Amino acid sequence: EPEVTQTPSHQVTQMGQEVILRCVPISNHLYFYWYRQILGQKVEFLVSFYNNEISEKSEIFDDQFSVERPDGSNFTLKIRSTKLEDSAMYFCASSAGTVYEQYFGPGTRLTVT
Amino acid sequence: GQQLNQSPQSMFIQEGEDVSMNCTSSSIFNTWLWYKQDPGEGPVLLIALYKAGELTSNGRLTAQFGITRKDSFLNISASIPSDVGIYFCAGQGSLVRTSGTYKYIFGTGTRLKVLA
Repeated sequence: EPEVTQTPSHQVTQMGQEVILRCVPISNHLYFYWYRQILGQKVEFLVSFYNNEISEKSEIFDDQFSVERPDGSNFTLKIRSTKLEDSAMYFCASSAGTVYEQYFGPGTRLTVT
Repeated sequence: GQQLNQSPQSMFIQEGEDVSMNCTSSSIFNTWLWYKQDPGEGPVLLIALYKAGELTSNGRLTAQFGITRKDSFLNISASIPSDVGIYFCAGQGSLVRTSGTYKYIFGTGTRLKVLA
């Protein structure tokens, strides 16, 4: 069964450093998303991406964040200069269409020290 | 903005019991999704609901899309220890006119613990 994969599973970085989180969405899906979940809290929407551009972003997704689909399979989230409060689980998701269900990857745990 | 409230926040039940949880909002949603999340893992899709009044089952799970489109419930029958986890509802809200897309908003979660 196709699934969304994410790497790395855990990333530890120092405050101020840049990190890139990687995702491989399900191959025939067209819509891609990043979500964040701070420990013990609900899943929060960050950004959606379609047709090689951002469709929508939340207030969390400020200028420190960027997304890219560098090739036909990968979808990345970059945090330019990490802050302590960026520590969270980051989930990638994909869907076949905008009104269809979203499938989540296993997440990357980002720890900023 | 649109918000989803889930209740109960947490529940302890005995193995074999039925479980019911719900998700409510003051806003109308077009689609409801129910996910289960195990510790340290990503949410796993359980059930998707697309029409008001729709009742859908997936094994021991049953979910309904409220007629007002402002709520949804999830029932688990004959609970087993592996049902433990956090259950999230997610609602697909209003059309974002600038992009032609919809955004999913997640509920606060119901933490389920099953006692053997």
